[in-house]
Amino acid sequence: KAGVTQTPRYLIKTRGQQVTLSCSPISGHRSVSWYQQTPGQGLQFLFEYFSETQRNKGNFPGRFSGRQFSNSRSEMNVSTLELGDSALYLCASSLAVNSREGHEQYFGPGTRLTVT
Amino acid sequence: GQQVMQIPQYQHVQEGEDFTTYCNSSTTLSNIQWYKQRPGGHPVFLIQLVKSGEVKKQKRLTFQFGEAKKNSSLHITATQTTDVGTYFCAGPWGSNDYKLSFGAGTTVTVRA
Repeated sequence: KAGVTQTPRYLIKTRGQQVTLSCSPISGHRSVSWYQQTPGQGLQFLFEYFSETQRNKGNFPGRFSGRQFSNSRSEMNVSTLELGDSALYLCASSLAVNSREGHEQYFGPGTRLTVT
Repeated sequence: GQQVMQIPQYQHVQEGEDFTTYCNSSTTLSNIQWYKQRPGGHPVFLIQLVKSGEVKKQKRLTFQFGEAKKNSSLHITATQTTDVGTYFCAGPWGSNDYKLSFGAGTTVTVRA
């Protein structure tokens, strides 16, 4: 079974631009979560989607948004990029209907975003 | 902020020695998960603990969930160079079920 894929793997943008990252979950997984990973803040939860619905959002500004399609593929968008948005953006898919069921998350390789 | 606290942040271990990393939550957790991230890689699921006092072993790794389900530990015996990486604990938090909070991680380096 193919793993979680993310595109692009690397991206360089300038301040003020916007960016769209893509994630394809493992076949059959309907839950997709996004995380931002930085050396200073660790792994921070961005949002989670299940069956095209955003079920929860982390403490990030409105510049961060996402969506999920009917085939469970997900995209996240960051508008008006800031230097501080430079990070590794990780997508994870899961079988879980909710996290209290404790299903493991399968992470993709991530997209390394650099904002200059 | 972080709902799950993890210590120590760094662990420098002599090859062959044992070490333990700890994870503490301010609230009772329904479950806790552990992940490992190798340098340059992405987090990979190791284990999930659900029951109070549960202990699970994977070869040289022993995972434990506290009786109050507020803390967990990962103990590695006879550390090898393949154990290098960052170990994260993660648990659900908040009134909404769908957020997973990760600890800051313990980054392990091994001296051969």
